[in-house]
Amino acid sequence: AQSVTQLGSHVSVSEGALVLLRCNYSSSVPPYLFWYVQYPNQGLQLLLKYTSAATLVKGINGFEAEFKKSETSFHLTKPSAHMSDAAEYFCAVSNSGGSNYKLTFGKGTLLTVNP
Amino acid sequence: NAGVTQTPKFRVLKTGQSMTLLCAQDMNHEYMYWYRQDPGMGLRLIHYSVGEGTTAKGEVPDGYNVSRLKKQNFLLGLESAAPSQTSVYFCASSYGQGWNEQFFGPGTRLTVL
Repeated sequence: AQSVTQLGSHVSVSEGALVLLRCNYSSSVPPYLFWYVQYPNQGLQLLLKYTSAATLVKGINGFEAEFKKSETSFHLTKPSAHMSDAAEYFCAVSNSGGSNYKLTFGKGTLLTVNP
Repeated sequence: NAGVTQTPKFRVLKTGQSMTLLCAQDMNHEYMYWYRQDPGMGLRLIHYSVGEGTTAKGEVPDGYNVSRLKKQNFLLGLESAAPSQTSVYFCASSYGQGWNEQFFGPGTRLTVL
């Protein structure tokens, strides 16, 4: 069964600092991987996704993530945090083969940005 | 386009009461999903549908029923609400299978007393 582990339920950074949110996955076959963001009192929206076209994926709002098969990781980064980045971030995995209609989500990482 | 909408936004129930949450999407998506979100648990799939007239169980289906009579609507029912069903419920839809982006509604906050 596939699973996702997000290291750190809460990450706090200063404005302008590097943002690094960690995600490790387990999957028996090469997966599709996603990062979603949830702003307070809103639904989730897609930041970026990995679908095997390129290992470095660029998303919205300056975020990017790198797929590392050897480390089974898909960490999310942003060079310089903005106050508006404060939100909860979810990593999710979906297998690429067979009839698979669902995502498995990590437990989320709450990002706080301090002025 | 409204995207994915959910009705109601908030609801308070007493134990044993029933209710139906409505999800509607205007993107002509085949696939629809119901999740619940609890603190520290991420999102967990309750039920999903791969097309009009079809439904299937997800990770945490007990205590819930669903129906997909029309392609654009996906209903989630609680026949006899329990305090353990206090949660935020999200509906989502997607064009295709798991590698496609899921579009989420704004959520319904349900409290069961």
